[in-house]
Amino acid sequence: QKEVEQNSGPLSVPEGAIASLNCTYSDRGSQSFFWYRQYSGKSPELIMSIYSNGDKEDGRFTAQLNKASQYVSLLIRDSQPSDSATYLCSVILDGATNKLIFGTGTLLAVQP
Amino acid sequence: DVKVTQSSRYLVKRTGEKVFLECVQDMDHENMFWYRQDPGLGLRLIYFSYDVKMKEKGDIPEGYSVSREKKERFSLILESASTNQTSMYLCASSSLGGTELGYTFGSGTRLTVV
Repeated sequence: QKEVEQNSGPLSVPEGAIASLNCTYSDRGSQSFFWYRQYSGKSPELIMSIYSNGDKEDGRFTAQLNKASQYVSLLIRDSQPSDSATYLCSVILDGATNKLIFGTGTLLAVQP
Repeated sequence: DVKVTQSSRYLVKRTGEKVFLECVQDMDHENMFWYRQDPGLGLRLIYFSYDVKMKEKGDIPEGYSVSREKKERFSLILESASTNQTSMYLCASSSLGGTELGYTFGSGTRLTVV
């Protein structure tokens, strides 16, 4: 089983809709979770972090964490064509060294 | 604006060459990381360093080595480049307790080995 799993997509949503991106992780001891956005040909950029069960909102983005189910999700409200990118879920497995493990990413395509 | 700078955006090298990829950060971060990214495989950790002169193997260290002589600089070395090392290489840094900030990535080096 991969340590961090994501559906590779593409996930296609119409402009203005809610995009829902999902991720599962294998290590129950994981404490820190991140979502990165990566445009084609560019490097990843951090968009959300979450550490506690529940929801965390930042503008149009909401991260959701359920540690019992080992599940992290990212909701993007009012999706825009500029949101079209690959979204990488990542987990810190080793808090001592801050080593991040990444999923393979979900490609999101927002249709105008 | 904080930055992680990778010395080359594109690089073409011949099989068997020794290749140096340089990464410099200006954030006084303790941790630095080298990943490679390949289609369908995602980002895979090659090496990381949590202090000057300290290094730890990641998931795919074979064929690579690293050097960290100064806090701000972390170099990835391909001892004898091979075609299966053609990839996008990404450097990242983070503060020691920087779980809230995650990583800051450099712009990447696309290496082609011919």
